[in-house]
Amino acid sequence: SQTIHQWPATLVQPVGSPLSLECTVEGTSNPNLYWYRQAAGRGLQLLFYSVGIGQISSEVPQNLSASRPQDRQFILSSKKLLLSDSGFYLCAWGLAHALETQYFGPGTRLLVL
Amino acid sequence: DQQVKQNSPSLSVQEGRISILNCDYTNSMFDYFLWYKKYPAEGPTFLISISSIKDKNEDGRFTVFLNKSAKHLSLHIVPSQPGDSAVYFCAASARWSSNTGKLIFGQGTTLQVKP
Repeated sequence: SQTIHQWPATLVQPVGSPLSLECTVEGTSNPNLYWYRQAAGRGLQLLFYSVGIGQISSEVPQNLSASRPQDRQFILSSKKLLLSDSGFYLCAWGLAHALETQYFGPGTRLLVL
Repeated sequence: DQQVKQNSPSLSVQEGRISILNCDYTNSMFDYFLWYKKYPAEGPTFLISISSIKDKNEDGRFTVFLNKSAKHLSLHIVPSQPGDSAVYFCAASARWSSNTGKLIFGQGTTLQVKP
């Protein structure tokens, strides 16, 4: 069966510090991978998606970047965090060929102070 | 531009009664619709989906209805249970126009089921 992991679960960072959130998927090959953010009291906003290694598409201009160094690894980064980067970050995977449901990881709560 | 809208931020229902969560969309290219359930500090969990070739899909206590002409879908939960209390997200996708599998989410509706 497929599983998706995210870490860390919670992170408190000062403004201006770097960020690296990691997501890994097990039990599937060549998945589509996604990063979402849920800001307080708001819906899920798609930040980045990837259809293959090294292929990253950005949905919204922002202070963040994403990378996919391996087939089942997706990383969300920032060089300098802003207060507005606080939120709940979710990684998801989907079957590329089937274009069906996306499955979400447990999420990372980021608080920028 | 909010392509998927959940206009009710919250809903309160008595245990055993029906919960109806609504969702509207604007993009006629959407052909696949999903509902997710989310507890606080957890990732969303897939609940049920429906393809645009259908107008109803049922799975146990959960039924999703799709009205393409009105660009409207709804999730019915019968009977509602306290454990159903969560945030429910509607999502839509245009599967055959893209290989990305991108989902567009609504803002979510918080359901509270009272014992």
